[in-house]
Amino acid sequence: GAGVSQSPSNKVTEKGKDVELRCDPISGHTALYWYRQSLGQGLEFLIYFQGNSAPDKSGLPSDRFSAERTGGSVSTLTIQRTQQEDSAVYLCASSFLTWDYGYTFGSGTRLTVV
Amino acid sequence: ILNVEQSPQSLHVQEGDSTNFTCSFPSSNFYALHWYRWETAKSPEALFVMTLNGDEKKKGRISATLNTKEGYSYLYIKGSQPEDSATYLCALGRTTSGTYKYIFGTGTRLKVLA
Repeated sequence: GAGVSQSPSNKVTEKGKDVELRCDPISGHTALYWYRQSLGQGLEFLIYFQGNSAPDKSGLPSDRFSAERTGGSVSTLTIQRTQQEDSAVYLCASSFLTWDYGYTFGSGTRLTVV
Repeated sequence: ILNVEQSPQSLHVQEGDSTNFTCSFPSSNFYALHWYRWETAKSPEALFVMTLNGDEKKKGRISATLNTKEGYSYLYIKGSQPEDSATYLCALGRTTSGTYKYIFGTGTRLKVLA
């Protein structure tokens, strides 16, 4: 597709359940990032994939969070045993690896844990 | 830890007013500063890429300046319109532990009243 696609756009889940969020980046973009924005907070870096290199997981807030990127394309962010503090907008972005190119963001998944 | 601060946190202006807001940061150790506009339920949209030479960038009624010595960037909107209502994010692009990523501010939420 022409842009970064994320699904679902909205997800309401019960506390303790697992959720999977999907990101389909722009074809040809080698870098893929996950961020989240909690209410009243800035965008928080979660994880970064670049080609076949080991991902930078330094932003994942706990071991309940994991992500994978299959075939250098689609990525899935999984949150296990969701907690209310996981409620946020989860944004995926992809990019070429030039410093001045910037990101192209998806429209996000709004996760609400009740 | 590099903190990117944006002020004000939120702003209401009347249609036709000009306005500006600030992105400040403590270090010039970065490659580029980006401004994004994020409308509700949409993807953040890239506005400007600011490089260390401090040139002013302009796009229609919106312009931005960067002062790396003093550690701030200003975003100006001339003659605000209701469609300018959005959250404006700034982000510093820098390399941390071998990974190039952005550090985002918390954003300025602008509401333009008709």
